[in-house]
Amino acid sequence: SQELEQSPQSLIVQEGKNLTINCTSSKTLYGLYWYKQKYGEGLIFLMMLQKGGEEKSHEKITAKLDEKKQQSSLHITASQPSHAGIYLCGADPGAGSYQLTFGKGTKLSVIP
Amino acid sequence: DTGVSQDPRHKITKRGQNVTFRCDPISEHNRLYWYRQTLGQGPEFLTYFQNEAQLEKSRLLSDRFSAERPKGSFSTLEIQRTEQGDSAMYLCASSRGLAGVRRTDTQYFGPGTRLTVL
Repeated sequence: SQELEQSPQSLIVQEGKNLTINCTSSKTLYGLYWYKQKYGEGLIFLMMLQKGGEEKSHEKITAKLDEKKQQSSLHITASQPSHAGIYLCGADPGAGSYQLTFGKGTKLSVIP
Repeated sequence: DTGVSQDPRHKITKRGQNVTFRCDPISEHNRLYWYRQTLGQGPEFLTYFQNEAQLEKSRLLSDRFSAERPKGSFSTLEIQRTEQGDSAMYLCASSRGLAGVRRTDTQYFGPGTRLTVL
């Protein structure tokens, strides 16, 4: 079965700093989703990447997919307290399955 | 879209009791999913519906768990004879479901139901 490893597990940054979160898959990535979760709440969809080399941006968040490395990265520029939360990557396992396999998440804290 | 809604948001029950959760997906979304999330972990897939048909079930879904989606609209997840290990956040998600395309599409999640079994 596919496993996703996220690094780091937690991150504390000063407001205004840039940061990167990585998600590495044990198997081929057919599609990679990034979500954000506030403690005790549901997941908020951020971005979806399908093709190797694809890069998407939304406001100050950029995500990239490296098919060869079976890895995706999420980069936040000039972090703000509103960026704090748990970032989760979810992968499309392929083979006609519709479920997503998730990593354990990266907890981000932004100090004002 | 009004978003995915779940009810109740919190449920506390005693071991051995039955509980039922409800999920209302985004209107016109054909696919509906249930996941379970425990502290410090990512969501784990439980089951999936395409309209009213339950097409995938995880090994996590023991005989005590049953899910339905009558008429392809809202869905219910029932846990019978609850155990302390069932304590978790139960998340529902829905997606549009791309006709003729057998791959995932963006899943939109509800706020979850937090179950505590005493």
